[in-house]
Amino acid sequence: GENVEQHPSTLSVQEGDSAVIKCTYSDSASNYFPWYKQELGKGPQLIIDIRSNVGEKKDQRIAVTLNKTAKHFSLHITETQPEDSAVYFCAPMDSNYQLIWGAGTKLIIKP
Amino acid sequence: NAGVTQTPKFRVLKTGQSMTLLCAQDMNHEYMYWYRQDPGMGLRLIHYSVGEGTTAKGEVPDGYNVSRLKKQNFLLGLESAAPSQTSVYFCASRLMNTEAFFGQGTRLTVV
Repeated sequence: GENVEQHPSTLSVQEGDSAVIKCTYSDSASNYFPWYKQELGKGPQLIIDIRSNVGEKKDQRIAVTLNKTAKHFSLHITETQPEDSAVYFCAPMDSNYQLIWGAGTKLIIKP
Repeated sequence: NAGVTQTPKFRVLKTGQSMTLLCAQDMNHEYMYWYRQDPGMGLRLIHYSVGEGTTAKGEVPDGYNVSRLKKQNFLLGLESAAPSQTSVYFCASRLMNTEAFFGQGTRLTVV
């Protein structure tokens, strides 16, 4: 089955700086790569996703890049703000159309 | 649209008691999931369903049962609750090749 690793487990950045979280996967048939944000006391919510025919996708301060050859995709957050503090999960879809969840990254934005 | 609704939001059980958690979605999604999330941890899949009348085991199915008699509902049962089942339970639903939508969670404490 699909193996997913997410790094780092905790990331602390100064407000205004950029943050990058990386997700590696093993199933070469994966073709859908989402990132979710979980705020305290809430369920995860999709923030950005990318499909395998695209290398990069951007939505304001958030971007996702995909390297299918190396089997990894990354979440990039620029100009970080206090409201970006949360836990972020990657969840690539495997060949059985199931989302396989990473362990999560706790992002801390320091004022 | 209500999206994914979980009932109840909070519950305290005594060891050995039984209960059923209800998940309802109004998006006509085929796939539904039950996860548990322990403090500071990621999501662990308990059971899932790929359509009405179907269920399958996930990563941590022991001590839980599920039923999907209607497409819009996915029930999670605990027959004899144990303190180790104290957790936050999330339900999610999705179409085959798209993002997952999560409920607000059920916080369960077993004493």
